[in-house]
Amino acid sequence: NAGVTQTPKFRVLKTGQSMTLLCAQDMNHEYMYWYRQDPGMGLRLIHYSVGEGTTAKGEVPDGYNVSRLKKQNFLLGLESAAPSQTSVYFCASRTGPEAFFGQGTRLTVV
Amino acid sequence: GENVEQHPSTLSVQEGDSAVIKCTYSDSASNYFPWYKQELGKRPQLIIDIRSNVGEKKDQRIAVTLNKTAKHFSLHITETQPEDSAVYFCAASRWDTGFQKLVFGTGTRLLVSP
Repeated sequence: NAGVTQTPKFRVLKTGQSMTLLCAQDMNHEYMYWYRQDPGMGLRLIHYSVGEGTTAKGEVPDGYNVSRLKKQNFLLGLESAAPSQTSVYFCASRTGPEAFFGQGTRLTVV
Repeated sequence: GENVEQHPSTLSVQEGDSAVIKCTYSDSASNYFPWYKQELGKRPQLIIDIRSNVGEKKDQRIAVTLNKTAKHFSLHITETQPEDSAVYFCAASRWDTGFQKLVFGTGTRLLVSP
């Protein structure tokens, strides 16, 4: 039982490149979330999903897209990376009250 | 939508002192308020939570209080220890049917000095 696993853990991108972050959970959770964490700004919700095939925008969705084709996976895509997207990205999942977080992905856009 | 404000942003205490972190929320329909602790370089983890039908909850050295009328809730840590040093996040959520959005505060960096 791995919980919530994020891939990759670290990545450096050049401005304009694209990439996909993968979040996988093995707890059969319905809800999945992508947050970004920046100094002094806490955890800000990018997109979330309330079930397979459904997604919704959070507080800071611009520049990101998501997909949830399988219940256990939630993908976050950056189509054209910008330096402002340099951040630590956390995925989380839950069905009950407690949210379980992945270990984070540190993304640097140069 | 929900907005959660958290204060202070940093808090320094001596070992053995108490620490208090305060949060306010805007959506009166929010009814679930968790607190997460994030140690340096690690993922946030739930340490305590409270629902709107309860005014106070304790778990050993930590406690959370909720004032629904004023829409604020607080985390209290007594007899602080160096291992309590971390970033603490409060959050608010609505336990609606249909969807659950978990909105976090901006975090408090707690430093406990020996």
